[in-house]
Amino acid sequence: DIVMTQSPDSLAVSLGERATINCKSSQSVLYSSNNKDYLAWYQQKPGQPPKLLIYWASTRESGVPARFSGSGSGTDFTLTISSLQAEDVAVYYCHQYVSIPLTFGGGTKVEIK
Amino acid sequence: EVQLVESGGGLVQPGGSLRLSCAASGFSFSRYWMSWVRQAPGKGLEWVANIKQIGSEIYYVDSVKGRFTISRDDAKNSLYLQMNSLRAEDTAVYYCARDLPFDQWGQGTLVTVSS
Repeated sequence: DIVMTQSPDSLAVSLGERATINCKSSQSVLYSSNNKDYLAWYQQKPGQPPKLLIYWASTRESGVPARFSGSGSGTDFTLTISSLQAEDVAVYYCHQYVSIPLTFGGGTKVEIK
Repeated sequence: EVQLVESGGGLVQPGGSLRLSCAASGFSFSRYWMSWVRQAPGKGLEWVANIKQIGSEIYYVDSVKGRFTISRDDAKNSLYLQMNSLRAEDTAVYYCARDLPFDQWGQGTLVTVSS
């Protein structure tokens, strides 16, 4: 099984400042046949289902604000919120979809400082 | 508008059974992988099972193998999860989700396993 480890567990960032969340997989999620990283990021607000933000490690889902960006390859990935807004308070999860069982990171809670 | 609406959750005793349903609308259901993902109270996300188009491939997380069965009815645009031999640790909100990665989610249905 691919274990996804996120850090930190939580972080508090001032409005307008940058938030950075890390995700490390125990095995590469890069699929050599198409050279794509099978890594996604989700945002979950209280009482709501998760929302897909980023897939293929760095492709923003339609309608997701440009302040959200994903980077990394292989086993190390980052989600960056370039300028934190009040509506970005949520828990963020990374997710690998290259192999069964599909697995998620433990989540990172983002709050306003 | 894409919609996924789960139903069938509730309170069940350990060892009991439940059947969850997910009604899909607003897209060509038969063209997509579909999945069940659960979230225990206050915890993170856990993939449970998924099913390929026309049910040609099915996968489960180890903890539910032999107890849960995922199925689909493309004529009814519906996804199902038959859950047998339920345990306390199966208590969670169960979401149905579309495609890989999961680009659309339902609002979830709560399953509580308790005596």
